[in-house]
Formats: sequence, structure tokens, C-alpha cells
Amino acid sequence: SQKIEQNSEALNIQEGKTATLTCNYTNYSPAYLQWYRQDPGRGPVFLLLIRENEKEKRKERLKVTFDTTLKQSLFHITASQPADSATYLCAQASGGSYIPTFGRGTSLIVHP
Amino acid sequence: DTAVSQTPKYLVTQMGNDKSIKCEQNLGHDTMYWYKQDSKKFLKIMFSYNNKELIINETVPNRFSPKSPDKAHLNLHINSLELGDSAVYFCASSQDSPDGQYFGPGTRLTVT
Repeated sequence: SQKIEQNSEALNIQEGKTATLTCNYTNYSPAYLQWYRQDPGRGPVFLLLIRENEKEKRKERLKVTFDTTLKQSLFHITASQPADSATYLCAQASGGSYIPTFGRGTSLIVHP
Repeated sequence: DTAVSQTPKYLVTQMGNDKSIKCEQNLGHDTMYWYKQDSKKFLKIMFSYNNKELIINETVPNRFSPKSPDKAHLNLHINSLELGDSAVYFCASSQDSPDGQYFGPGTRLTVT
């Protein structure tokens, strides 16, 4: 079955740097990938969607890439700020279903 | 204006009890979901429901049942609660598209 893998170790970076988070999937290429942000004690918040036929998507300081050869999506936050500290979840879906399968998320900590 | 709301936010109960969690969305979405997030923060789909069909994750025990009185509500009923049911339960909704899901604030269920 399809699996979504995200680095379980927290990513620590300095304010102002670019944070890069990785999402790898096994088996078949999903029709699309979603990225969410989750703060402690809160529900996930949808950030970006990228489709299988798209290489890159941008939204303000966020950028997502989709590499079907590497079976990987990268999530970048440029000019990171302490307020960007949160857990970021990757989710995939395919086969005509919009029900996503989530990865475990990667915690990002931006130090001032 | 809360988009997806859940009640209660915290629920502490004893093994063997039956409990319900309520969910309401005011976004006019077609599909609602229930997720379980365990202590390792893994977000797993339990149910997906729209006015056409109910999709059940086959790993969910039949002690769990969704009830939808109308399009804006999807409640979760849990019978004969077990210790392993302790987790945070999230309700979510979306249009019938991949453009992201909107999550509620979560209900932390503790079974003692």
C-alpha cells in the first residue's frame, strides 16, 4: 500500500534561513500532494496543493515541488520566522479519491 | 466565525462507557471526515461521508459509528470505550475536490 514518509526528526534552523522539509512516497505516483501546518493543540491547516503534472507551486514565502522521478515533494519556507515553528504534514491521494493519506509530519523550529 | 467546530474539546471517561463527539461545519462543504491522531501524532482517516456514500477505513472497529443528521453535521459515536481509544479526534470537511480539508480544533479523548 502507498506510504508517505516524512523525517521524524525535528528541523532546527536560524531565523531568516530557508527551511526545507521532505516528503517521500512509495509505490505509485499520487495524483496530488497536499501540505498542512499543525500547531500544538490545534487541527491541521491546509497550505498548498500540488498536482502530479506540476513541478512547482508557490504561495508567498512557501514553495512546494513535486518530483515524480525521485518520488518526493519538497516544502520550502524562505526567510523563515520563529512564527513558522510548527509541525508540517504532507498528504497524498490518488486513484480518483480525494481522501488523503497523511505522513507523520516534521517539526520545524525556527530560532530567533 | 468558526468554520469547523467540535464539542467537547476534552472528554474524560471510563472504559466501557458510550460517548459521542459532535461536529459541525458552516462552509457548505459536501464531504465530512473523522480522523484519529494518536500519541505519535499520526493522523489516520476513520470515515469519509457525503450525501452519497460512507467510506469506512476497514481498520476502524465497529464500535465507532458516524451519524449525519444533515449535510453540515457528522457526529462520532463510540461504544464500549477502551483504553486504546485515547487519542485526539479531528473532524474535517472539504468540497468534493483535492483543494484541501478544513479541520476542527480536535477533541482529546482520555479513557481511564
